[in-house]
Amino acid sequence: AQKVTQAQTEISVVEKEDVTLDCVYETRDTTYYLFWYKQPPSGELVFLIRRNSFDEQNEISGRYSWNFQKSTSSFNFTITASQVVDSAVYFCALSLPEGQNFVFGPGTRLSVLP
Amino acid sequence: DAMVIQNPRYQVTQFGKPVTLSCSQTLNHNVMYWYQQKSSQAPKLLFHYYDKDFNNEADTPDNFQSRRPNTSFCFLDIRSPGLGDAAMYLCATSAGSASGMRETQYFGPGTRLLVL
Repeated sequence: AQKVTQAQTEISVVEKEDVTLDCVYETRDTTYYLFWYKQPPSGELVFLIRRNSFDEQNEISGRYSWNFQKSTSSFNFTITASQVVDSAVYFCALSLPEGQNFVFGPGTRLSVLP
Repeated sequence: DAMVIQNPRYQVTQFGKPVTLSCSQTLNHNVMYWYQQKSSQAPKLLFHYYDKDFNNEADTPDNFQSRRPNTSFCFLDIRSPGLGDAAMYLCATSAGSASGMRETQYFGPGTRLLVL
């Protein structure tokens, strides 16, 4: 069975702190994609990153970075120097080969306080 | 520029009164999806179209139907809304592949449905 776990339901940090959102996934497939989406209060899901299961290189995009480790089936997301505008629900998701679903984790609500 | 557009943003309907939500896209993507998202939950896939091929999720109630008259538009019809159908409905699109499931999905802003 495929599953995505985001153990942190809610996180609160003060502006400028670094914060890491955890994502652990389960699948028996060797080919898959992992995603992170941001859902601000407005409701729209905003695509942040897609990672291929064969590419374990970490990625940095501005204040965002992602750590993909197949050995622990984790795809963690770090925001450096957080800002109030980062406040949102963040979803990790798993996409599987043909015929399978696009599986979302339960989401982590991040609150960045001024 | 909006790429996935959903109208209206808020929809109020009465218990049992049919309602239609609409989605359009300017990305020319083959695949269009409808998700239901209830408060503090992850989006739940209802169904998707790969071109004109309709794919229903096993646990999607019969009360939910969809139409895709052309590449750009997709509709969600709720035949007899119940109080439990109040939720955010998200439309998404992705480029076509053999499955349509491995490609990045781009979401619209959602329509929040209220059932009175």
